[in-house]
Amino acid sequence: NAGVTQTPKFQVLKTGQSMTLQCAQDMNHNSMYWYRQDPGMGLRLIYYSASEGTTDKGEVPNGYNVSRLNKREFSLRLESAAPSQTSVYFCASSLHHQPYNEQFFGPGTRLTVL
Amino acid sequence: DAKTTQPTSMDCAEGRAANLPCNHSTISGNEYVYWYRQIHSQGPQYIIHGLKNNETNEMASLIITEDRKSSTLILPHATLRDTAVYYCIVRIPAGGTSYGKLTFGQGTILTVHP
Repeated sequence: NAGVTQTPKFQVLKTGQSMTLQCAQDMNHNSMYWYRQDPGMGLRLIYYSASEGTTDKGEVPNGYNVSRLNKREFSLRLESAAPSQTSVYFCASSLHHQPYNEQFFGPGTRLTVL
Repeated sequence: DAKTTQPTSMDCAEGRAANLPCNHSTISGNEYVYWYRQIHSQGPQYIIHGLKNNETNEMASLIITEDRKSSTLILPHATLRDTAVYYCIVRIPAGGTSYGKLTFGQGTILTVHP
């Protein structure tokens, strides 16, 4: 099993450009998550999908959209990138959206917006 | 979610036990204590979780005080590869938009030296 995979690993954008971060998991998990990590801020939840067909906002959803394409895939879209979105983005999945289910994280996407 | 307090950094000699404390004095009766770690440039990794009783798995042991206001993560024989940031997280078990989410704080930087 590959676990949670993310593409791309690195990306540089100019302000105003758009892009989609891809995430896939092969563990047959129901729930998926997008986090961003900034220095001194820890990880913050952007959006999550408790189950296929549902998505909900997390702590910092502004400037992002998500799509739960199917059970395996959960994408994060930046419609008009801003320098404040420079960050490391992590996707995660868990069997269910339950507090006793551990979350498995991908390797991250390092995004720089100039 | 209950707030957690961890030391900013700790050192440990290779082969020795690493004991990482966490204070969660405002924890409520049905909140779980979780530990994750993040090795440099990688996604967070689940270590262990518990509710009331002490827990042990192949990676670590979790000791929760009887009043549940603090806990200690124990890595019994630390290796250089255990150098990472360790996050203590208290998760709300049900209700509202916080359900199932992980909230990462600043964590403890553990450095294992030869």
